[in-house]
Amino acid sequence: EAAVTQSPRNKVAVTGGKVTLSCNQTNNHNNMYWYRQDTGHGLRLIHYSYGAGSTEKGDIPDGYKASRPSQENFSLILELATPSQTSVYFCASGGRRGGADEQYFGPGTRLTVL
Amino acid sequence: QQKVQQSPESLSVPEGGMASLNCTSSDRNFQYFWWYRQHSGEGPKALMSIFSDGDKKEGRFTAHLNKASLHVSLHIRDSQPSDSALYFCAASPNSNNRIFFGDGTQLVVKP
Repeated sequence: EAAVTQSPRNKVAVTGGKVTLSCNQTNNHNNMYWYRQDTGHGLRLIHYSYGAGSTEKGDIPDGYKASRPSQENFSLILELATPSQTSVYFCASGGRRGGADEQYFGPGTRLTVL
Repeated sequence: QQKVQQSPESLSVPEGGMASLNCTSSDRNFQYFWWYRQHSGEGPKALMSIFSDGDKKEGRFTAHLNKASLHVSLHIRDSQPSDSALYFCAASPNSNNRIFFGDGTQLVVKP
């Protein structure tokens, strides 16, 4: 089964601090995604990548940067964290199944910004 | 605006009952549809995909797609407490593009 891991699983940060969320996949998938999940908003796409070295803006990229240094790793960076970025963050990799890309999600990182 | 709309927001059914979830998209380019399921404290996981008009059945789960009306539904028969979860409808315009998710339907199956 496809495997996506995230670290840390829980993080408490201070306002104005820098936060890096890491994601690793062992599926050899080209596509990777970062989402945040808040009550009432479902899954909102922040950044995504089509392969090593590439990053694309999603629907809510403001305040976030992404980095894809290798096929396996995709990071989400909050340079100046704010309380509004308190949320649960999910990473996913996308792989072909049944004729179209299907996404495989990690377990999530719960981020609290005080 | 939201490209994928789901209804109802929440649904409660008795154990052994039928649960019906609905999804409508606003983009006629969408050709690929999925249902994802998320149990509390976990990441979402793909439950079923459906790419052609008609019904697709996998065990107790049946998905129905009507591309002309941009409507997809999920029916769960003989619902079990373990089916209690947040269900997302998702759609994509082509086979290698990002997926657009709805806001989810919270299903509770009561013993």
